[in-house]
Amino acid sequence: DIQMTQSPSSLSASVGDRVTITCRASQSISTYLNWYQQKPGRAPYLLIYAASSLQSGVPSRFSGSGSGTDFTLTISSLQAEDFATYFCQQSYSTPLTFGGGTKVEI
Amino acid sequence: QVQLVESGGGLVQPGRSLRLSCAASGFTLNSYVMHWVRQAPGKGLEWVAAISYDENYKYYPDSVKGRLTISRDISNKTLYLQLNSLRAEDTAVYYCARTIAVAGRGWFDHWGQGTLVTVSS
Repeated sequence: DIQMTQSPSSLSASVGDRVTITCRASQSISTYLNWYQQKPGRAPYLLIYAASSLQSGVPSRFSGSGSGTDFTLTISSLQAEDFATYFCQQSYSTPLTFGGGTKVEI
Repeated sequence: QVQLVESGGGLVQPGRSLRLSCAASGFTLNSYVMHWVRQAPGKGLEWVAAISYDENYKYYPDSVKGRLTISRDISNKTLYLQLNSLRAEDTAVYYCARTIAVAGRGWFDHWGQGTLVTVSS
């Protein structure tokens, strides 16, 4: 199974900050890496697919990069509505696996 | 618009069974790969089952193989998850979600709101 490791597990930031979250795969997954946002009591929401493609309707302050084993989610200017938990997910092979999550707090 | 609505969760004793349902609307069920993903309270996400477009292939992680069974009814536009021999560690919110492919283009672009399964005596 491909293990996905996210860092940090949590971070504190302020509105307007630039935030970077990293995700590392235990083996190369090309660009088969997706990012989700989840707010308390809600289902996950797709932000970025295929490492760097912005899902329709997602604000352009979100961006993704990386390939192989190392990936990054960047929020260029953190907004109040961005305080949430973020998960990465590999779709290179089954079993599909997720990172442990990064909680972005005020 | 695309909607996925789960139901069937609840409190169940260890060793018992439960069947979850996911009603799909706004898209053609057999044009997508359908999945179940669960989340234990305060924990991360765990993929637990997928069914191919044509129902010919079903996928499970080793952690649930033999106890969970995914199926669907195209005429009723409903996805199911049968959970057998339930254990405390199966306690979670269960989400249904769709992707274009099982792997490769396997990003979950739509999710249901989830249904909570609590396994306890």
